[in-house]
Amino acid sequence: DQQVKQNSPSLSVQEGRISILNCDYTNSMFDYFLWYKKYPAEGPTFLISISSIKDKNEDGRFTVFLNKSAKHLSLHIVPSQPGDSAVYFCAAPGDFGNEKLTFGTGTRLTIIP
Amino acid sequence: DVKVTQSSRYLVKRTGEKVFLECVQDMDHENMFWYRQDPGLGLRLIYFSYDVKMKEKGDIPEGYSVSREKKERFSLILESASTNQTSMYLCASSPNRAIKGNTEAFFGQGTRLTVV
Repeated sequence: DQQVKQNSPSLSVQEGRISILNCDYTNSMFDYFLWYKKYPAEGPTFLISISSIKDKNEDGRFTVFLNKSAKHLSLHIVPSQPGDSAVYFCAAPGDFGNEKLTFGTGTRLTIIP
Repeated sequence: DVKVTQSSRYLVKRTGEKVFLECVQDMDHENMFWYRQDPGLGLRLIYFSYDVKMKEKGDIPEGYSVSREKKERFSLILESASTNQTSMYLCASSPNRAIKGNTEAFFGQGTRLTVV
């Protein structure tokens, strides 16, 4: 049972445009969500997070939106740059005392110059 | 600068060998994780540890074991390596949320293991 899902394996976006990456979750107990970025042959690096008490969190070009009723979050990157080409993972930790970090399958973002 | 360090970037092992992957973190984190990444499958959790000598199975523990004798070190052991264990292995650590609040997990640089 996959509790965190990313249904789009890949996405191509023109440089300068907005990139929107989506993530759905099934566990209503999740209360914190994270996005990671991963380049080939490197470990994932943290990008941005959001607590379930918020519906939006912004950091520079990156904004994460959370829709709790739909169990859906999205990452917006604007404007998209060539260096944004990477695989993006959404993730959620478990409850206090069982903090397994569950990841989605990832979306490969390609920015077209 | 915070760090999670994995002992090897690349490893080539023979089928049937016992393989040790080591991970060390310098952030005094309670939680440590081992994942493998395979194309189209994302990051799958192998084992998780929330304290010294404590471990929990993740989604794909078969063929693996772990050891956490010290807080900073978490080892992944392939008891008898097989070709289907060829993968990228990633170690991560994070602080206990109940103690330190919500924060991110930090990853090592990964170990690309090839079993021939």
